[in-house]
Amino acid sequence: KNQVEQSPQSLIILEGKNCTLQCNYTVSPFSNLRWYKQDTGRGPVSLTIMTFSENTKSNGRYTATLDADTKQSSLHITASQLSDSASYICVVRPFNTDKLIFGTGTRLQVFP
Amino acid sequence: GAGVSQSPSNKVTEKGKDVELRCDPISGHTALYWYRQSLGQGLEFLIYFQGNSAPDKSGLPSDRFSAERTGGSVSTLTIQRTQQEDSAVYLCASSPGGGGRTQQPQHFGDGTRLSIL
Repeated sequence: KNQVEQSPQSLIILEGKNCTLQCNYTVSPFSNLRWYKQDTGRGPVSLTIMTFSENTKSNGRYTATLDADTKQSSLHITASQLSDSASYICVVRPFNTDKLIFGTGTRLQVFP
Repeated sequence: GAGVSQSPSNKVTEKGKDVELRCDPISGHTALYWYRQSLGQGLEFLIYFQGNSAPDKSGLPSDRFSAERTGGSVSTLTIQRTQQEDSAVYLCASSPGGGGRTQQPQHFGDGTRLSIL
């Protein structure tokens, strides 16, 4: 069983709509949780980083939330654009280690 | 450039050959990571370099895999006697510092897509 699980695996939405991606993790204790965006054929790019004590972090139209009690995080995308089409990866950094644990990602497709 | 640079971007080779993948991290970044990304899988940690410390090699899948980092900058990942299951995208990332509690993001290159025939 993966320590970081994401849902849905894939998602199709229309341009302008909002969406929410989910991340459930079992890593404990952890130092921080990150969301990355990976365009096809490119490396992942950091969107947000939240420590275990933070509940929310925004980056433009991207808002990440964290509930350390339920070990869940979500990434909310507002007013989606065609350029939001990508894979979104949830990443957890366990406490006292430099090795990140990556989810398998949610592939988002935004259609006009 | 200002980002992490990897070369080659694509590599096709025959089974049994050796390959070398190169990573140029962002200048001044002391931490460097190698990951492997197979189709439909999450990124798999391979190896981590932090400054002059001994590298963390715990993610290397077999003794056919090795990596070096010369002068605290450029890194080379070598795969000997390649197998078809080695086909994947190999990603390199760097960050300003290591330590389990750092909040610094890792900056990724665009990877090398390795195909073993």
